[in-house]
Amino acid sequence: EAQVTQNPRYLITVTGKKLTVTCSQNMNHEYMSWYRQDPGLGLRQIYYSMNVEVTDKGDVPEGYKVSRKEKRNFPLILESPSPNQTSLYFCASSLSARTDTQYFGPGTRLTVL
Amino acid sequence: DQQVKQNSPSLSVQEGRISILNCDYTNSMFDYFLWYKKYPAEGPTFLISISSIKDKNEDGRFTVFLNKSAKHLSLHIVPSQPGDSAVYFCAASAGGSNYKLTFGKGTLLTVNP
Repeated sequence: EAQVTQNPRYLITVTGKKLTVTCSQNMNHEYMSWYRQDPGLGLRQIYYSMNVEVTDKGDVPEGYKVSRKEKRNFPLILESPSPNQTSLYFCASSLSARTDTQYFGPGTRLTVL
Repeated sequence: DQQVKQNSPSLSVQEGRISILNCDYTNSMFDYFLWYKKYPAEGPTFLISISSIKDKNEDGRFTVFLNKSAKHLSLHIVPSQPGDSAVYFCAASAGGSNYKLTFGKGTLLTVNP
C-alpha cells in the first residue's frame, strides 16, 4: 500500500530535550516536505527536500532541522524543543515538486512542556 | 503576510445543495493552485488542482474556478453530501525555482443531512 508514515504519532516532551520525528514514504517520491498545523494558522511549511541531500527552508524553519540521506526518509529534528513548537506536524511527499499532488502522513501531535 | 487567504472559517450547507468555498491570494507569482480536504485525526488529502493557464477544472462533483485578474479561486461542490464535511485548504505555489507550497487557514464545511 502506497503511504507516508510518521513516528511517533503522539509525543509529550519537555523543553530542551532533543527529539526526532521520522517520516518515510514507499512511493519512490523525490519531493518531501514537513508542515505544522496550528489553530487559526492553517498549514505552514517548515522544510522541504527536492531530492536526496537537497533541502531548503519553508516559511517557518526556525528551531527545526531536517536531513535527506535516503530518498524514502525525511526526519524532522528539534534540537532544543520549546513550548511554541507544540503543534500537529505533517510529513508529505510527491513525485515532483510542482504539479504532482502531495500525499500526507497521518500527523504527529507534539506537546512540549 | 498571509499570501493565501480563506476568509470564511466555516460554511454550513444542506445536503444536495451547492457548496462554494473561496480563496484569495496576493502573490502574483503563484501559478498553480490546489485544494486539499482534511478529516479530523487524518492528514490532508488532495482534492483538485488548477494551473494558471486554465480558468476551470472539473472532477466529478468538484469544480475549481480561477479568476487571475481578481486573484481569486473557488471550489464548487455539487451536490454536497454529508461525507464532504471536512476542513478544506486552498494552497498555491509559484513558478520558477520556488517549490514552496503556501496554504490558507482552511474552511470548515459542514453538510447537514
